[in-house]
Amino acid sequence: EPEVTQTPSHQVTQMGQEVILRCVPISNHLYFYWYRQILGQKVEFLVSFYNNEISEKSEIFDDQFSVERPDGSNFTLKIRSTKLEDSAMYFCASSAHPDRIVNTEAFFGQGTRLTVV
Amino acid sequence: GESVGLHLPTLSVQEGDNSIINCAYSNSASDYFIWYKQESGKGPQFIIDIRSNMDKRQGQRVTVLLNKTVKHLSLQIAATQPGDSAVYFCAEKAGGYNKLIFGAGTRLAVHP
Repeated sequence: EPEVTQTPSHQVTQMGQEVILRCVPISNHLYFYWYRQILGQKVEFLVSFYNNEISEKSEIFDDQFSVERPDGSNFTLKIRSTKLEDSAMYFCASSAHPDRIVNTEAFFGQGTRLTVV
Repeated sequence: GESVGLHLPTLSVQEGDNSIINCAYSNSASDYFIWYKQESGKGPQFIIDIRSNMDKRQGQRVTVLLNKTVKHLSLQIAATQPGDSAVYFCAEKAGGYNKLIFGAGTRLAVHP
């Protein structure tokens, strides 16, 4: 069964450092997302990406965040200067063609646990 | 503003009983809803979805009910098993690009 894969599973970084979280979406999917989940809280939308550009982003996704699809398979989330409050589980997700008539669910990866110290 | 919330943070059931997990949403324009299951240390796993033009949808041991009048969503799990123990999130689709708004989550604990 195809799945979304994320690396690393756990990343520890010092405050102020840059981190890059990596994702390989399901191969025939065209829509990509990043969500985050602070420990014990609900999953929060960060950004969606389609056709090599951001299609929607939340207020969480400020100038410190960026996303990129550097090649045909990877989808990355970069945090330029990490803060303590960036510590969370970050989930990548992908979905099939964004046909507004046919809703298709997003498939989530296992997540990367980011710990900022 | 838009919000999706859950009535009960924790639900404890006996193995074999039926479970009902509830969710309230506030955006009457939402047209698609999903239930996700999240086991410890894992990502959300799709369980079942429903569109706003339906009021009931059944899967294997699971049923989702949608009441648009009171903006309420529920997930029914029949013959609950220990493997069903997890946190369950409802999510609604808002906007045109599959952005999901998640509820707070309900922990389901299944006891033998």
